[in-house]
Amino acid sequence: NAGVTQTPKFRVLKTGQSMTLLCAQDMNHEYMYWYRQDPGMGLRLIHYSVGEGTTAKGEVPDGYNVSRLKKQNFLLGLESAAPSQTSVYFCASSWSNYGYTFGSGTRLTVV
Amino acid sequence: GQQLNQSPQSMFIQEGEDVSMNCTSSSIFNTWLWYKQDPGEGPVLLIALYKAGELTSNGRLTAQFGITRKDSFLNISASIPSDVGIYFCAGQPSGQGAQKLVFGQGTRLTINP
Repeated sequence: NAGVTQTPKFRVLKTGQSMTLLCAQDMNHEYMYWYRQDPGMGLRLIHYSVGEGTTAKGEVPDGYNVSRLKKQNFLLGLESAAPSQTSVYFCASSWSNYGYTFGSGTRLTVV
Repeated sequence: GQQLNQSPQSMFIQEGEDVSMNCTSSSIFNTWLWYKQDPGEGPVLLIALYKAGELTSNGRLTAQFGITRKDSFLNISASIPSDVGIYFCAGQPSGQGAQKLVFGQGTRLTINP
C-alpha cells in the first residue's frame, strides 16, 4: 500500500533549466494537489485537480504548469527554473474533505 | 488569500509536559484538520473535525472545533520524545470545496528529555 509516491526526492537545477515532478497515488482519489513548503510560510497550494483531465490554479501558480492525463498521476512542471522556486514540494490526494494523504516531498534547489 | 494564524510558532518543553496550540481565522471554516510533519516526511493527518463544538481525541491528542467556527485548538498530554515535529492546522473555508484547504504556518515542537 504505497499511498502517494513522489519522484524524485531531491534535485538540483540550474537557473533556466526545466524539470517535471511526478506524483502517483494508488488510492483511486479524485482530487490531487501540489503544494510548496517554505520556512515560516506553511503549505501553499500551487495547482490542483478535481479529476482526470482537469487542472486549476491555486494560491501560487506562476512559473508552474501541471497535467493530469491519468487519474493516478499528477505532474508538476517547471519550464524555466528560478532561485525563488527553491523549496520542498509536496503532492497530496484526497477523495473528499476528509483530509489529504501527502507524499514524502521533493526537495528542489535552484542555483 | 485566506490565512490561518497558528500559535505559538515554536515550543520548547520538558518530556511529560502538556502542550497546547491553536489556530484562528477571520473567516468561518467548515472543517478543521490537524497534521503532524516529521523531519523529511510529508504531513500526516492526526485529527479531523467537522462540526462546531466538536471535541475529538486520538490517544494523547485532543482537538476541538471552536463554537464560532473561526478557531481550533490541539492539546497533547504527557508529551514523549516522538511527539517532536511540526504541527499544522488546516481548514476548509465555508463555501469552498475540498480543494480550498488552507494551512497554518505550523508549530515546531521540541522536547527536552
